[in-house]
Amino acid sequence: DVKVTQSSRYLVKRTGEKVFLECVQDMDHENMFWYRQDPGLGLRLIYFSYDVKMKEKGDIPEGYSVSREKKERFSLILESASTNQTSMYLCAIRRTSGEQYFGPGTRLTVT
Amino acid sequence: GENVEQHPSTLSVQEGDSAVIKCTYSDSASNYFPWYKQELGKRPQLIIDIRSNVGEKKDQRIAVTLNKTAKHFSLHITETQPEDSAVYFCAASPGGSEKLVFGKGTKLTVNP
Repeated sequence: DVKVTQSSRYLVKRTGEKVFLECVQDMDHENMFWYRQDPGLGLRLIYFSYDVKMKEKGDIPEGYSVSREKKERFSLILESASTNQTSMYLCAIRRTSGEQYFGPGTRLTVT
Repeated sequence: GENVEQHPSTLSVQEGDSAVIKCTYSDSASNYFPWYKQELGKRPQLIIDIRSNVGEKKDQRIAVTLNKTAKHFSLHITETQPEDSAVYFCAASPGGSEKLVFGKGTKLTVNP
């Protein structure tokens, strides 16, 4: 079965730091996604990638960038972390059925 | 772009009752509609999905209905149990897109 892992379950960073969140999958899926989840706002798409070095902005890309140098790894980068980026971050892959399968999430706190 | 509205935001039922969660979507080209369940502290997990060429799909105690004309779809849970308590998200996939657009979620509480 597919495995999607994220580098940290919990992360605490200071305002202004550069933050890297990593997502790794083990099944050669082309499409990978980064969401943030906030209470009452659901899951909002930040960026997605449809192949190596290919990326597309989602609904809330401001303040974020991404990197996909290898097919199995999709990184989310917060260039200069701010307190309003405190959130749960979820990575997902897309199966051929259309289903998106999620990683366990990273709860990021920016102080 | 696609917009998905989900109602209600919270739902409380007695064990054994039925629960219904409704979603509407805006893009008539959307063709895939999954439902996810997220238990506290866990990742969202797919529980059932439906495609635009089907009107209804059942899996044991859960079912999903789709009305393409009205652009809405619903999740039905019968004989609810305390372990059904969770946040449920609906989503729609705009036609030809790999993306999903999610509703804001419904917190379902099943009281013993």
